[in-house]
Amino acid sequence: AQSVSQHNHHVILSEAASLELGCNYSYGGTVNLFWYVQYPGQHLQLLLKYFSGDPLVKGIKGFEAEFIKSKFSFNLRKPSVQWSDTAEYFCAVPDSGGYNKLIFGAGTRLAVHP
Amino acid sequence: KAGVTQTPRYLIKTRGQQVTLSCSPISGHRSVSWYQQTPGQGLQFLFEYFSETQRNKGNFPGRFSGRQFSNSRSEMNVSTLELGDSALYLCASSLGTGEYGYTFGSGTRLTVV
Repeated sequence: AQSVSQHNHHVILSEAASLELGCNYSYGGTVNLFWYVQYPGQHLQLLLKYFSGDPLVKGIKGFEAEFIKSKFSFNLRKPSVQWSDTAEYFCAVPDSGGYNKLIFGAGTRLAVHP
Repeated sequence: KAGVTQTPRYLIKTRGQQVTLSCSPISGHRSVSWYQQTPGQGLQFLFEYFSETQRNKGNFPGRFSGRQFSNSRSEMNVSTLELGDSALYLCASSLGTGEYGYTFGSGTRLTVV
């Protein structure tokens, strides 16, 4: 079965610092990858997604992620974080055997201090 | 266009009771998936419905069930509630193929006492 690992459970940054959140997946076949964000008290929102093509994917709010097939990784990056980026971030991948069944990582809680 | 609507937003139930949660997907979306979110287990897939048929099911006991109506609205039911069922239950809708990603609702916060 597919699995997703997020290595950083809690990250604390100051505003303007750069961000990189790690995500590794286990499946070696055709891969679709997602990053979702959950702001405090809000619902999960799609930040960006990778289907195929350019491994560097641009998302909303200045986020980007790079798909590195050889490392089974899909790390999320942002050059300069803001206080409003304080949220929980989830990496996800569709299960290898199921329709619309996403396997989520454990999540990374990001706190950005002014 | 309207997003995914889940009702109710909050519920408090007693152990042993049953509960029904509702989800209205985005207009035109035929797939509805349900997830349970807890601090300890994170986001776990419950089941997915597409055109009134359950297409996929997660590893939850039979007390968790669901259905989808012809207008794509979905309900999930939990019978004989246990304290461990306390969680945020999230509904997500999509066009029907996972690679497009989901749109999530705000969830129903269920507390079992």
